[in-house]
Amino acid sequence: NAGVTQTPKFQVLKTGQSMTLQCAQDMNHNSMYWYRQDPGMGLRLIYYSASEGTTDKGEVPNGYNVSRLNKREFSLRLESAAPSQTSVYFCASSPGTGGNQPQHFGDGTRLSIL
Amino acid sequence: GENVEQHPSTLSVQEGDSAVIKCTYSDSASNYFPWYKQELGKRPQLIIDIRSNVGEKKDQRIAVTLNKTAKHFSLHITETQPEDSAVYFCAAKRGSGYALNFGKGTSLLVTP
Repeated sequence: NAGVTQTPKFQVLKTGQSMTLQCAQDMNHNSMYWYRQDPGMGLRLIYYSASEGTTDKGEVPNGYNVSRLNKREFSLRLESAAPSQTSVYFCASSPGTGGNQPQHFGDGTRLSIL
Repeated sequence: GENVEQHPSTLSVQEGDSAVIKCTYSDSASNYFPWYKQELGKRPQLIIDIRSNVGEKKDQRIAVTLNKTAKHFSLHITETQPEDSAVYFCAAKRGSGYALNFGKGTSLLVTP
């Protein structure tokens, strides 16, 4: 099992460009999450999906959209990238739908916006 | 919403000593408290977790304690080794909803 797979691993964008970050898990987990990690800020939740077909906003959703394509895949889209969105983005998944089970993280996408 | 504060932000110990990291939370209905370890450039990985119906949990050199009355929980690492050097994050799940709120992390350095 690969666990949680994120693509791409690195990306450089220009301000105003759009981009979709891909995430897939092969653990048959119900819940999936997108976080951003900035220096000194810990992990901040952007969006999450408790089950296929549902998505909810987290702490910092502005400037992002998500799609839970099926049970395996959860994508994050930046419609018009801004320098403030330069960050490391982590996708995670967990087995249940209640949020009180361990989350398994992908390797991250390092995104720079010029 | 849930607010998780983590202290200290940096911690340096000598190999073999113990390390303690403390977190406080604001939502008294919070019921799940995981700890993650993140090595430089790597993904966060769960090292231990505790639920609100348990006061203490231990796994080899790592233990977590929870004080629901005071709304704080702590990570204890005994007999530290250089490979324990990493950033450690605590988190708390609010009583309602599905999201975890993370602390800002503690950078632990274990010197030989």
